[in-house]
Formats: sequence, structure tokens, C-alpha cells
Amino acid sequence: AQKVTQAQTEISVVEKEDVTLDCVYETRDTTYYLFWYKQPPSGELVFLIRRNSFDEQNEISGRYSWNFQKSTSSFNFTITASQVVDSAVYFCALSEAQAAGNKLTFGGGTRVLVKP
Amino acid sequence: NAGVTQTPKFRVLKTGQSMTLLCAQDMNHEYMYWYRQDPGMGLRLIHYSVGEGTTAKGEVPDGYNVSRLKKQNFLLGLESAAPSQTSVYFCASSPGPGRSQETQYFGPGTRLLVL
Repeated sequence: AQKVTQAQTEISVVEKEDVTLDCVYETRDTTYYLFWYKQPPSGELVFLIRRNSFDEQNEISGRYSWNFQKSTSSFNFTITASQVVDSAVYFCALSEAQAAGNKLTFGGGTRVLVKP
Repeated sequence: NAGVTQTPKFRVLKTGQSMTLLCAQDMNHEYMYWYRQDPGMGLRLIHYSVGEGTTAKGEVPDGYNVSRLKKQNFLLGLESAAPSQTSVYFCASSPGPGRSQETQYFGPGTRLLVL
């Protein structure tokens, strides 16, 4: 069965510090998709990124970057020069290609608190 | 284009009461989902649908029923609410077969309190 683990439950940083969120996953499928979602204090879930299992290129989007390593089953997320607006809960999620309906399995989330 | 909307935003029920949560999407997505979010547990899938007229169980289906009579709507029903169903409920949709089919887009959530 698929599983996603986010070992860090809460991270507190001071503004402008970098913060890295860990995500480790388990799956038996050879084709799968990994996601990161952001949940700000307002409560909605915002899609950040989707990565295919056959594409191990790292990705950068502004202050956000993602490091995908199949060898360690990890898909880590780094926020560079954090800002107060980055304060949120971040979820990593996994979808197996063979699973009906592209169901998502979520990690427990990491709460990031950025202090001014 | 409103995306995914949920009705109501907040509801208080007494144990044993019934209610229906409505999810609507205007993106012509094939797949729709209902999740619940409890503190410290991330989101867990309740039921999902891969097309109009079809539904399937997720990870935590007990105590809930769903219906997908129209492609754009996905209803979640609680026949006899229990305090354990106090949670935040999220609806999501994804395009289905095709490019980027896997990405799910979420509604704003419904906060349910069962007393």
C-alpha cells in the first residue's frame, strides 16, 4: 500500500531563513505522481507542484524548489528566503498510476511558521 | 470560472441528524473526491467518483454515502451524524484521462461540528 511520511510536524524560522520540508514515500507502483499542496491559515488547499516518477529533474519556481530522488524515495521542498506569507501547513501527496481514480494519499503535513 | 465550490461552509449538527454536503465544479472534470481532514492526520479519502453515475469507496467510507447524478456535482451524505464525524470536509476534482489527469483541485472546505 502507498504511504507518505512527513516526519517534521512543525518548523519555526525567522523571516529570510531557508526552510526544507522532508517527504518520504512508499509505493510498489513503477509509475506514480508526487504533489505538494499548501494550506494557508484561511484553510483552502493550494496546488503547488506535480512531479512524475520518470522525471527526476529538480524544479525551481521563484523561491520554491523541489528535490526528487527516487533512490531514497524522497521529494523534498525548500523555501528560500522565507517570508511571513509562507506560514502555512504543507502537504506532500502520492498518486499511483495503477490506482483507480488517481486517488491521493497524503502525508500528515508540516506546519511552517515564519516569524518576522 | 469558480473552480470547485462547496455548500455549506459551516454546519452544526446534533448526533443522529442527517445532512448533505454539496460539491460543484465548473471545469468539466471527470473525477471527483471527498476527503476529511482531522488534526494531525492530513487528508483521508472518503469516497470518489470516476464519472457521472459512478462512485467508489475510499479509505474511510463508513457512515457516509455519495451520489454523482450530474457530472458537475458530487454529494456527500451523512445519514446519522456522530461526534466522530466532526471534521473539515474537502471536495476535489481532477480532469480524468488525459494530460495532467492526476492533479486534483480542491474546494474551500466545509467545517462540520457534531454535538
